[in-house]
Parts: sequence; C-alpha cells; structure tokens
Amino acid sequence: NAGVTQTPKFRVLKTGQSMTLLCAQDMNHEYMYWYRQDPGMGLRLIHYSVGEGTTAKGEVPDGYNVSRLKKQNFLLGLESAAPSQTSVYFCASRALAEDTQYFGPGTRLTVL
Amino acid sequence: SQKIEQNSEALNIQEGKTATLTCNYTNYSPAYLQWYRQDPGRGPVFLLLIRENEKEKRKERLKVTFDTTLKQSLFHITASQPADSATYLCALDINNNNDMRFGAGTRLTVKP
Repeated sequence: NAGVTQTPKFRVLKTGQSMTLLCAQDMNHEYMYWYRQDPGMGLRLIHYSVGEGTTAKGEVPDGYNVSRLKKQNFLLGLESAAPSQTSVYFCASRALAEDTQYFGPGTRLTVL
Repeated sequence: SQKIEQNSEALNIQEGKTATLTCNYTNYSPAYLQWYRQDPGRGPVFLLLIRENEKEKRKERLKVTFDTTLKQSLFHITASQPADSATYLCALDINNNNDMRFGAGTRLTVKP
C-alpha cells in the first residue's frame, strides 16, 4: 500500500493564480483532512471530510475549497492564491473505527 | 480562549535520560488526546492515544499520562536515544466530531 500520497510535492504560484492539491489514499479510509503547517503554529485544520460527497470547515477554511467526489481522493483548491497561503500542506486520512490519522508527505507551496 | 500549548518549544537532553514533554489545553473536553512524532520534511506519525478515562498508557519506551482535571498530558521517553530526536506534537478532537487541533510541537534533541 502506498498509504497517503500528495501531488505535487512543491509548487510556486504568483498572487492571484489558482491551483489544486490532490490527496489520495489507498486504505479505504472514510475520513480525510487537509492541514497547513506554519513555523511556530503547528498544524491547523483547513477542511475535512467524513465521507464521499461530504465536507466540513475546520479552523482556517477561508480562501480554500475542497471536494471529495471519490472516497479515495480529497482535493484542496486555492481559487486566488495569496502570499499568506505560503505554507506546507498536509493531508491525512483515518478509518471510521480508528482514532489514528495517517499523514501524507506534504506539499510545500510558495505564493509570490 | 481555547488553545493547546506545548510548554517547551525545544528540549535538549543527554542520551539515556528521560525526556518529559507537556501538553496543556484550555476550555476543551476531549474524549482522547494523541501524540505524534514529526521528522524534518515529513508528515507526522502517530505514536500513542490516551482516552479521558485512562490515566496512563505505555508503548515500549513511551509513556503518556492524561489528567482531565489539570487539562494536561505528559509524554515521556525513557532511556532516550539520539534517534528519538524529532518534533513531538499533541492533538485533540475538540468537539469529538473530527475537528482536530494540534499543539505547536516540542523539538526534542537527544545528545550522545
């Protein structure tokens, strides 16, 4: 099993550009999460999903949108990137009957 | 306000000693608390979970305590080794509905 994978690993955007980050998991997990990690602030939850077709806002949802059209994929979109969205983005998944989250390797995004 | 604090940003100890990391939270009543390890450039990896009705949990050289009255968890690594050097994060499900919150982490360095 590949576990949780994230695409791309690195990306540089200009202010105002849009992009989509892809998270894929092959563990048949029901729950999926998107976090951002900034120095000194730890991980902050952006959006999460408790199942295919459902999403919910986390702690810092503004400026981001998500979709969960397939159980194994969770997409994070930035419609109009801002420098404040420069961060490392982590995806995670969790099985319904477990409390453990499995994290992907991260995507480092820089917005100029 | 609601927050999670890991009291030490960095902790340096000598090999063989016990490392003790602290996680304090305010205004939450989590059903469980988790500890993760994160190495540079990688996603967090789950270590231990302790539930609100458990006082202590152990796994090999790791021990976690949970005091819901003090709103505090302590994470211990006994007989520490240089390979234990990493950042350790605590996490709570603040509303018991998948809304996860992480502390900023403590960077542990174990010196030979």
